Amino acid sequence: DTEVTQTPKHLVMGMTNKKSLKCEQHMGHRAMYWYKQKAKKPPELMFVYSYEKLSINESVPSRFSPECPNSSLLNLHLHALQPEDSALYLCASRQTGGREQYFGPGTRLTVT
Amino acid sequence: DQQVKQNSPSLSVQEGRISILNCDYTNSMFDYFLWYKKYPAEGPTFLISISSIKDKNEDGRFTVFLNKSAKHLSLHIVPSQPGDSAVYFCAASDYGQNFVFGPGTRLSVLP
Repeated sequence: DTEVTQTPKHLVMGMTNKKSLKCEQHMGHRAMYWYKQKAKKPPELMFVYSYEKLSINESVPSRFSPECPNSSLLNLHLHALQPEDSALYLCASRQTGGREQYFGPGTRLTVT
Repeated sequence: DQQVKQNSPSLSVQEGRISILNCDYTNSMFDYFLWYKKYPAEGPTFLISISSIKDKNEDGRFTVFLNKSAKHLSLHIVPSQPGDSAVYFCAASDYGQNFVFGPGTRLSVLP
């Protein structure tokens, strides 16, 4: 089973809203990632969690706040976003010692 | 500075023929390379990978070739099928947390 699930599939939010994206995997992977992908561009790394601890934050604005409550779950809390934050947000996970990342289907976020 | 390059934004191939997608990298620390396939509004799907200690890895219709001295890899799809039409991303990683995608090549397989 190489499934990573993400909810919601689509999200429309205003610039003053607070919302959260959720990612879940039950493969026992201990590294989890958030990526942002704009149209016709490759995925850009935002955050990396390793053993539930934040290990990489790629200079992401504080209006994005990640959280890893347990080894299977990864959240991305959103607050006061800008229209330019509209994108496909992808979650991925990787097995300890492995090099392949397995991606979820993404959440299509639109900020109005 | 792009560490992973895919210089062909698009490629069209006739069904049944070979598709060759190319990728170049600049960082000598990369030691593992991956190909992902992506349909619109979906997450990338892992296809095939290769370690820098090998020069070829094959999985069914997909073969990846690595030329370390040229810092070049390629993905061969034989025979190409219409369902292979998608964007293909090359990615590279080092032994740290560095994981970099190329800009992608859109493959169209024509019936």
